[in-house]
Amino acid sequence: GIQVEQSPPDLILQEGANSTLRCNFSDSVNNLQWFHQNPWGQLINLFYIPSGTKQNGRLSATTVATERYSLLYISSSQTTDSGVYFCAVGRLGDNFNKFYFGSGTKLNVKP
Amino acid sequence: DAGVTQSPTHLIKTRGQQVTLRCSPKSGHDTVSWYQQALGQGPQFIFQYYEEEERQRGNFPDRFSGHQFPNYSSELNVNALLLGDSALYLCASSPTSGANVLTFGAGSRLTVL
Repeated sequence: GIQVEQSPPDLILQEGANSTLRCNFSDSVNNLQWFHQNPWGQLINLFYIPSGTKQNGRLSATTVATERYSLLYISSSQTTDSGVYFCAVGRLGDNFNKFYFGSGTKLNVKP
Repeated sequence: DAGVTQSPTHLIKTRGQQVTLRCSPKSGHDTVSWYQQALGQGPQFIFQYYEEEERQRGNFPDRFSGHQFPNYSSELNVNALLLGDSALYLCASSPTSGANVLTFGAGSRLTVL
């Protein structure tokens, strides 16, 4: 399979702070998505970003596929940003994407 | 527009029993994938269904089986439950055409005693 490593594993922020989450992967990919898992277990899709840069409000993401990493930026963090952030990748060459997830970054934003 | 719905939300079983979990995909989606998420870990791919057939499978034993119905809904069956099967089971749907963007349900939390 493909190895997906996320860092840092845990992150504590004061409300209003900015952060960068990283996802490294061990093989070429044709699909990369970032998810936020809330405390009740619901996974919400944040970005579909196999390459390039996207922004959605206070969140933005960049994937450099040739260097096998992706970054998720959170600006002006809010307590509602707390939860676990997952990176999921689909390997280039797979006929039908099955996704490999990292172990996540657990974010705690304090008021 | 209803997203992905899963049932039941929580259930408790004992070792050796069998369980069936259900999933209705998002409207317009025809592909359903199942993932297992153990506590503190990322989701792991179990299998994927399209056109009522399993077309991709992860590293899970044959005790894990599934089905997809003509309306695209799906079931996950686990036989001979083990303590290690305790986990959050997530269903994700996606469209066949265009970008393969996953939409997840809220999950079914299985506890095996």
